[in-house]
Amino acid sequence: EAGVTQSPRYAVLQEGQAVSFWCDPISGHDTLYWYQQPRDQGPQLLVYFRDEAVIDNSQLPSDRFSAVRPKGTNSTLKIQSAKQGDTATYLCASSFDRENERLFFGHGTKLSVL
Amino acid sequence: GDSVTQTEGLVTLTEGLPVMLNCTYQSTYSPFLFWYVQHLNEAPKLLLKSFTDNKRPEHQGFHATLHKSSSSFHLQKSSAQLSDSALYYCALRSNYQLIWGSGTKLIIKP
Repeated sequence: EAGVTQSPRYAVLQEGQAVSFWCDPISGHDTLYWYQQPRDQGPQLLVYFRDEAVIDNSQLPSDRFSAVRPKGTNSTLKIQSAKQGDTATYLCASSFDRENERLFFGHGTKLSVL
Repeated sequence: GDSVTQTEGLVTLTEGLPVMLNCTYQSTYSPFLFWYVQHLNEAPKLLLKSFTDNKRPEHQGFHATLHKSSSSFHLQKSSAQLSDSALYYCALRSNYQLIWGSGTKLIIKP
């Protein structure tokens, strides 16, 4: 069974540049999560979807961050104008939407904003 | 609101000694807890999850027991191995999300 796939693995930007991260969840998993993990910190939820619907994006910095999952499968997270404080690893995870189901994580995209 | 507390930021042990990493929680509803392990430059992976029927989950020599009376789900292993060096996160399932503790970095020395 293929795991959660993310690309790119690494990204290096200047402040003000835009970047997109892509996630392909495990087939059949209807719930998809995007987490931000700054260095030496735990994952912090940004947004999550059930199928194509956004369930919670309250932690997403909406002025610069956006996330979509148009067909309820793959998802894209975009940062419009990156800041140095966005430097972190961005993790995508998926699960089958049953209570207490485990999350499966991708390898993440390591973003450095200079 | 729901929360998870891991009091130790760093635990350093000698190989062969027992491991215990603390996790306490506050949960509005019946708690369901996880331990995730994150090795260097890797994504978090599930290590253990709690059962509803008081069974004690075990994996790779690690075990944890959910104690509702003390709101705890401490992670234990009888004998640490060098390969156990990693970040360990306790997490609480709440409204189909995970609430993460701050993590404990475990370093095992020869």
